[in-house]
Amino acid sequence: GAVVSQHPSRVICKSGTSVKIECRSLDFQATTMFWYRQFPKKSLMLMATSNEGSKATYEQGVEKDKFLINHASLTLSTLTVTSAHPEDSSFYICSALRTGGRDTEAFFGQGTRLTVV
Amino acid sequence: KQEVTQIPAALSVPEGENLVLNCSFTDSAIYNLQWFRQDPGKGLTSLLLIQSSQREQTSGRLNASLDKSSGRSTLYIAASQPGDSATYLCAVRGGGSYIPTFGRGTSLIVHP
Repeated sequence: GAVVSQHPSRVICKSGTSVKIECRSLDFQATTMFWYRQFPKKSLMLMATSNEGSKATYEQGVEKDKFLINHASLTLSTLTVTSAHPEDSSFYICSALRTGGRDTEAFFGQGTRLTVV
Repeated sequence: KQEVTQIPAALSVPEGENLVLNCSFTDSAIYNLQWFRQDPGKGLTSLLLIQSSQREQTSGRLNASLDKSSGRSTLYIAASQPGDSATYLCAVRGGGSYIPTFGRGTSLIVHP
């Protein structure tokens, strides 16, 4: 299957600082990538849809100025958590959409555990 | 709005049992349905993808079926092993959107 690499896998940061998470599709080009947040024992909550070369589309209730998304190339999307607070601590997962051919399929990164202290 | 429900929420079984995990969805106008596995603290690994025109997909000991008219999918795991312990998530992609809607998952423990 296709590979999506997410980095870092774990990060601890101080309150008030910013953290950048990278999501790369290693063996296919992804016009569309998704960013999810997962709370303990909960399902994935879609935060935003990232489209290469255009602004991201944020889900209702997600602060776009706090969670900055940049999809500058067909293989890379980044999520920056700005002015992080302890309540931003969570598991963040990216997904890249592989289109073309017969099937459209989403592939996921390994996730980033963010802890804000 | 699509809603996806997974039953049971948790399951604990002895090794060797055959298992059925259930996923139901409210809007039958789907593009495809995908089953994922998630290990603790990890991302999602795709197990099986079923297009709306298909009725089932198989991979090794896994078999997933899809009944669009009733809004249901099942994941069948044959001869379960301790290594199958994980959370299994069902995701449904709607007919007009590539954005998947996830269920809350079934947490599976297979004990030796």
